[in-house]
Formats: sequence, structure tokens, C-alpha cells
Amino acid sequence: KQEVTQIPAALSVPEGENLVLNCSFTDSAIYNLQWFRQDPGKGLTSLLLIQSSQREQTSGRLNASLDKSSGRSTLYIAASQPGDSATYLCAVNNAGNMLTFGGGTRLMVKP
Amino acid sequence: DAGVIQSPRHEVTEMGQEVTLRCKPISGHNSLFWYRQTMMRGLELLIYFNNNVPIDDSGMPEDRFSAKMPNASFSTLKIQPSEPRDSAVYFCASSKRGLAGGETQYFGPGTRLLVL
Repeated sequence: KQEVTQIPAALSVPEGENLVLNCSFTDSAIYNLQWFRQDPGKGLTSLLLIQSSQREQTSGRLNASLDKSSGRSTLYIAASQPGDSATYLCAVNNAGNMLTFGGGTRLMVKP
Repeated sequence: DAGVIQSPRHEVTEMGQEVTLRCKPISGHNSLFWYRQTMMRGLELLIYFNNNVPIDDSGMPEDRFSAKMPNASFSTLKIQPSEPRDSAVYFCASSKRGLAGGETQYFGPGTRLLVL
């Protein structure tokens, strides 16, 4: 059974810092991996999707990498802003379209 | 596009009552998912439909839970009878099913359920 772990569980940084969120998974036979953002009391917003054949995806200040063989992904946020404060969730797609989520990293960016 | 629509947004009910949650997926999407989010267990997939057919319901916790998708634009998740431990946020998501089997999932705003 796939297990997804996110470290750290919570992170507080001053505005402007570059930061890295980590995601690890136990079963490397994946179709793709998605990073989501969740604001308090809201639904999930997809940030980046990396197919199993890709090594990274970029969107604005966000860059996600995937190392399938080692079961790891990182989400890099450049020049963090207070508006980046949210919970970031990593989700792995093993079979068809079914996602297994990590527990999330709660990010606070202080002005 | 309006995105995935869920109703109600909030539901408070008493133990033993029937609860019905509703979802309208994004037009043109042929996969629909029901998830449950709690503090203790995080986000868990309950059931997955493709072209209105249930593909995997292994995440449905027990027989009190049932889900239907009578057509491509509507799905329901029913809990009968409800129990306090069913209190959670229930999300519906939809996606296109690509040849590779995995496409971006788009989530609705969720239904916050409280069972007293």
C-alpha cells in the first residue's frame, strides 16, 4: 500500500526566503505526482503535476522535482510572500486516477 | 467554467439521520472522486467513478456509506445512519482521464459535515 510522508509538518519563515518542502513515497510505480495548495476552510488548488517520465515542472515562483527511483519529490518556493501561507499537499497517483495524499506541510510566511 | 460544485457547503445533523451530499463535476470530465478530510486521517479517497461507473470503492468506510452517479453531471454521497465519527469535510473532485491514466484533479469547495 502506498504511503506518502511530508516533512516538515509545519514551517514558519520570514518573507523573501527561498524554501523547500519535501515529499516521500514508498511505492515508486507511480503515474504522476501532484502538489496542491489548501487555504484554511477551502478546497484544494492544483499547483503542479509531474508525470512519471518528467523530472521537474515549473510555474512562476514554484518548481517541483521528482526522483521516482528514490521515491522523493520537492516543492521549491522562491522569494516567499505572505500570500504563500497555506497548507501544501503532495499526492501520488499509483493506479489510474486514484490519489494518495501526504499529511501536508503548513507554511506560514511572516511579513 | 464554474468548477466543481458541491452542496450543501455546511451540514449539521443529529446522529442517526440520513445525510446526502451532492456534487456536479466540471463539464467534459469523465472521472469523479469523493474524498474525506479529517485532522486524524488527512485526505482519504472514498470512491472513484469513471464514465458514471464506480471503479474503486475500497475506501468507503462501511455499509452506511453509499455513492451514486446517475449521469455525467451529478453524483451523490449518502450516509445512513450518520454517526458523530462521520464528522469531516467531504470533497468531490473531477478530472479527464487521459491515456496515461492520470490527469489533474480539480476539487470542489467541500461540504463540512457535523454529526451531533
